[in-house]
Amino acid sequence: EIVLTQSPATLSLSPGERATLSCRASRSVSSYLAWYQQKPGQAPRLFIYDASNRATGVPARFSGSGSGADFTLTISSVEPEDFAVYYCQQRSEWPLTFGPGTKVDIK
Amino acid sequence: EVQLLESGGGLVQPGGSLRLSCAASGFTFNSYAMGWVRQAPEKGLEWVSSITGNGLSTYYADSVRGRFTISRDNSKNTLYLQMDSLRAEDTAVYYCAKAHTYYDFGYWGQGALVTVSS
Repeated sequence: EIVLTQSPATLSLSPGERATLSCRASRSVSSYLAWYQQKPGQAPRLFIYDASNRATGVPARFSGSGSGADFTLTISSVEPEDFAVYYCQQRSEWPLTFGPGTKVDIK
Repeated sequence: EVQLLESGGGLVQPGGSLRLSCAASGFTFNSYAMGWVRQAPEKGLEWVSSITGNGLSTYYADSVRGRFTISRDNSKNTLYLQMDSLRAEDTAVYYCAKAHTYYDFGYWGQGALVTVSS
C-alpha cells in the first residue's frame, strides 16, 4: 500500500504567519492527493483535491501544490480559525490511505 | 444541501455484529461513489471501504476485509456497513462520506460511534 508521511507532526504558529505542511508518498500518486481539515469534535472537511484545487468555500489563503510523491499545503497567512489538524489522502490506488496528520496549533 | 446522517452505532461485545446506515439527501445518490472512514479515539483517519455509484464494485481495507460488507440501496438513498466479528480495535467513530471526484471525500456525515467491549 502507499504510505503517506506528513511533516511536521505539529506546527506552532502565530496568527499571520505562513504555514507550510508536507505530505510525502512512498511512491507516485500522480496528482490524486487531497487535503482535509479537522477540528476537535467535528468531521473532516475537504480542502484541496487533486493536489491543487480548492474545494468550494475554502479561502484563497489555502493552496496546494505538488505531484508525483511530494505535496505541500500552504496557508499564506494563518487565521485563528485555521488552527486544526490537516490530513492528506491519496486516491491513486487501493487501498486508499491517509497520512497521520499535521496539527497546526497556536504558538 | 448535501446531508449524510449515520445511524446504528453503539456498544457491542467482541465477536458481535452491527450495521451502520447512512441516509443521504441533497444530491443524486446513485451518481456518486460512497465510502466509510473511521477514526479511533485520539487517532487519525483510516479508510474502511468504498462502493461505486451503481453498487457493482466494492473495496475494503485489509483490516476489515472478510468481516465488513459495504452496500447501498439507491432506491432508498442509503449506504450501509455491515460489521461482523467485531474486535476491540474496531472501536471508532465511523464516518459516511460522499465522493468528490471519485475516491476522495467531499461531504462527511457527523459520525457514528462504535464501541467494541465486553
